Amino acid sequence: DGGITQSPKYLFRKEGQNVTLSCEQNLNHDAMYWYRQDPGQGLRLIYYSQIVNDFQKGDIAEGYSVSREKKESFPLTVTSAQKNPTAFYLCASSRTGLERPQHFGDGTRLSIL
Amino acid sequence: SQQGEEDPQALSIQEGENATMNCSYKTSINNLQWYRQNSGRGLVHLILIRSNEREKHSGRLRVTLDTSKKSSSLLITASRAADTASYFCATDPTGGGNKLTFGTGTQLKVEL
Repeated sequence: DGGITQSPKYLFRKEGQNVTLSCEQNLNHDAMYWYRQDPGQGLRLIYYSQIVNDFQKGDIAEGYSVSREKKESFPLTVTSAQKNPTAFYLCASSRTGLERPQHFGDGTRLSIL
Repeated sequence: SQQGEEDPQALSIQEGENATMNCSYKTSINNLQWYRQNSGRGLVHLILIRSNEREKHSGRLRVTLDTSKKSSSLLITASRAADTASYFCATDPTGGGNKLTFGTGTQLKVEL
């Protein structure tokens, strides 16, 4: 079945450590997105990519980095510069163009040790 | 930036009743979408309504859109316990290139 796979499901970060969240899709979608979700809040866009080897900052990119070397993969690195990284991170993908619903993975929950 | 605001924040109803949740937004849009999120899971797309549409149906879902008031509503008829989830509206702003802006969500609990 086609879909989006995020791993790991749970991740713990030590102070000063960078951690990388994986996102892989087999839907043949060009566009991919990373969101952060805090308790009781909606989703906030961190980074998005419309095509391989290109990506743009979203609303809350500070302290995060991404790469898009393959169409299927869009990993997110939470750097030590992100001082409040505890959150639920969601990856999504879609076709490009108008009226393209986004398909989501099941998220990674990141906590601080 | 958060564009959508949803109302109510939480809603508790009995099975078989209808559930209505509302979404307001601030700028012009290409379309508005509704998503569902079960606890601890990703979002699932439910329905999309274009800016030139006023109403759309899909199974037990009915969505309305009033662009003059910049608001939308999602009605779930004959609710079931399995409908218990959080529901989010997401707007695709004009010129935004499918970069969605999500609301804060409504937590729906359907009790037996």
